[in-house]
Amino acid sequence: NAGVMQNPRHLVRRRGQEARLRCSPMKGHSHVYWYRQLPEEGLKFMVYLQKENIIDESGMPKERFSAEFPKEGPSILRIQQVVRGDSAAYFCASSPGGGASDTQYFGPGTRLTVL
Amino acid sequence: GQQVMQIPQYQHVQEGEDFTTYCNSSTTLSNIQWYKQRPGGHPVFLIQLVKSGEVKKQKRLTFQFGEAKKNSSLHITATQTTDVGTYFCAYTSGTYKYIFGTGTRLKVLA
Repeated sequence: NAGVMQNPRHLVRRRGQEARLRCSPMKGHSHVYWYRQLPEEGLKFMVYLQKENIIDESGMPKERFSAEFPKEGPSILRIQQVVRGDSAAYFCASSPGGGASDTQYFGPGTRLTVL
Repeated sequence: GQQVMQIPQYQHVQEGEDFTTYCNSSTTLSNIQWYKQRPGGHPVFLIQLVKSGEVKKQKRLTFQFGEAKKNSSLHITATQTTDVGTYFCAYTSGTYKYIFGTGTRLKVLA
């Protein structure tokens, strides 16, 4: 039973380019969450999505960042016109439901480096 | 909003020594989860605690949720080099939003 999958695992972009991060949830999970982790820090919630719906994007910067979870295919976190401060590890998590007792399982992350 | 402080920030121990990390909240928590993240890795779910005063054990790891549900601890008995990593507590704000503590980075010296 495959866990949460993320690709790419490492991504290097130059300032001004676009970064696309993909996440496939665990089988049977329809709830996806994205978190950002800066070096030596904890994880910060960015966005929560269900299929075709953004439920909560309160942790996501208003500009340059967007997320989607289409009916078919993986969830995508898109960062446009990347800047050096976007360099971080981006983790996706999934859960079977959206309740407080539903454990979130994390993918291996995408480590984004902006040159 | 709720504030969760995790202490200590760093801990170095000799292999075989015990280790404890604490998670303290200013308000009552509905539940708390613990995760371990190895260097360069991703958070791996360890346990969830829900009940007041709950204690759960996993081999050498003991997890406790305070009576007032405002604090939690993770205790490792006789640390091993495989215990190296960062231990995070997390709680749900509302129904789904996980708020993570700042983590305790554990180094085990052989």
